[in-house]
Amino acid sequence: GNSVTQMEGPVTLSEEAFLTINCTYTATGYPSLFWYVQYPGEGLQLLLKATKADDKGSNKGFEATYRKETTSFHLEKGSVQVSDSAVYFCALVPDDKLIFGTGTRLQVFP
Amino acid sequence: DGGITQSPKYLFRKEGQNVTLSCEQNLNHDAMYWYRQDPGQGLRLIYYSQIVNDFQKGDIAEGYSVSREKKESFPLTVTSAQKNPTAFYLCASSPTGSTGELFFGEGSRLTVL
Repeated sequence: GNSVTQMEGPVTLSEEAFLTINCTYTATGYPSLFWYVQYPGEGLQLLLKATKADDKGSNKGFEATYRKETTSFHLEKGSVQVSDSAVYFCALVPDDKLIFGTGTRLQVFP
Repeated sequence: DGGITQSPKYLFRKEGQNVTLSCEQNLNHDAMYWYRQDPGQGLRLIYYSQIVNDFQKGDIAEGYSVSREKKESFPLTVTSAQKNPTAFYLCASSPTGSTGELFFGEGSRLTVL
């Protein structure tokens, strides 16, 4: 079946550190891939997306590249800020519904 | 401003009671969704609707009911048949043809006492 696997958190970093949150997927065909972010006490917001292999999605300094050969869509940021502290969800659309991973909590300390 | 409004933000209920969570959107989106969020389990789809007067069950529909009488509104009823209703509930919408690009409300936290 279709599924998304994310690294377990929390991920704890100091400000200005490099961030990687791993995401791999299982799906038939060529799904679209997404990263969503949830700040404390809020709903989710779309962070970035990629719709085909080798596409790179980017927003607010975050990037992720659709790697079909490794079925991955890892989220990266070169220098995190305290304000990036949130839960990050990887998701895919194999057909007509969005399937979410379990989320990875990021904590950034000054 | 355009967006999705969920109410109430916090709700307490006694066992055996039905409760209805409100979701209203003014984005003119055709599709609307209800998700349940539990710690460590991500988001699970309860129900979704792609057009007025039509809706489909998601992965965990048992113990829940919905209606879609207006494009703007998609209320969720948590019935007494739901065995473990304490959770954070999120409503979302998306425009036609943009599956995956969801706009979320701020959520409703339901606690069963």
